[in-house]
Amino acid sequence: DTAVSQTPKYLVTQMGNDKSIKCEQNLGHDTMYWYKQDSKKFLKIMFSYNNKELIINETVPNRFSPKSPDKAHLNLHINSLELGDSAVYFCASSQAGTGGTTTNEKLFFGSGTQLSVL
Amino acid sequence: KQEVTQIPAALSVPEGENLVLNCSFTDSAIYNLQWFRQDPGKGLTSLLLIQSSQREQTSGRLNASLDKSSGRSTLYIAASQPGDSATYLCAVGRGNKLVFGAGTILRVKS
Repeated sequence: DTAVSQTPKYLVTQMGNDKSIKCEQNLGHDTMYWYKQDSKKFLKIMFSYNNKELIINETVPNRFSPKSPDKAHLNLHINSLELGDSAVYFCASSQAGTGGTTTNEKLFFGSGTQLSVL
Repeated sequence: KQEVTQIPAALSVPEGENLVLNCSFTDSAIYNLQWFRQDPGKGLTSLLLIQSSQREQTSGRLNASLDKSSGRSTLYIAASQPGDSATYLCAVGRGNKLVFGAGTILRVKS
């Protein structure tokens, strides 16, 4: 069973379109995250939700809107896609709400969504 | 602002060799440091987590050390195998988020 699953795995779209990436975790974790991995391979946090409540919102354009219908799901909706949005987006989850920084906390990652904006 | 650097960016070794991956960070006020493995087309897998009060952690053929005062960590892989080929990412935890390095791409040749 996949612990953190995200769909789609690949997403190719035109500039200006609106798209969504879905994420689901079956680990019973309280916190979910979205990370972006750019062309230089740096992973940067975008958002985190704890029990459906927004905890972290890094300086991400407001074209990006996360939605958490329940604590097992965290979807990412992107409006008016731009070329610079092309990247791999990873969903992750953890038990506690500290983003992986408590003593024994580990993050569990999905396999990523490669977004290509043409 | 925390910055994490990993050296080398890529490494190719023959099977059986012991190897060391390096990670440095600019701000020593961290809660922990983690090493992850990333396989192509897949997510990240947490390998080792070192608390800020610890010096090292071991799991199987992997040993990670942490020198917080100098802002350095190393991941030692003993008797490398082709299955170890992957990208290895270092991440430091502070506040409520992780800051990642760009990773070291490791290739172990059979």
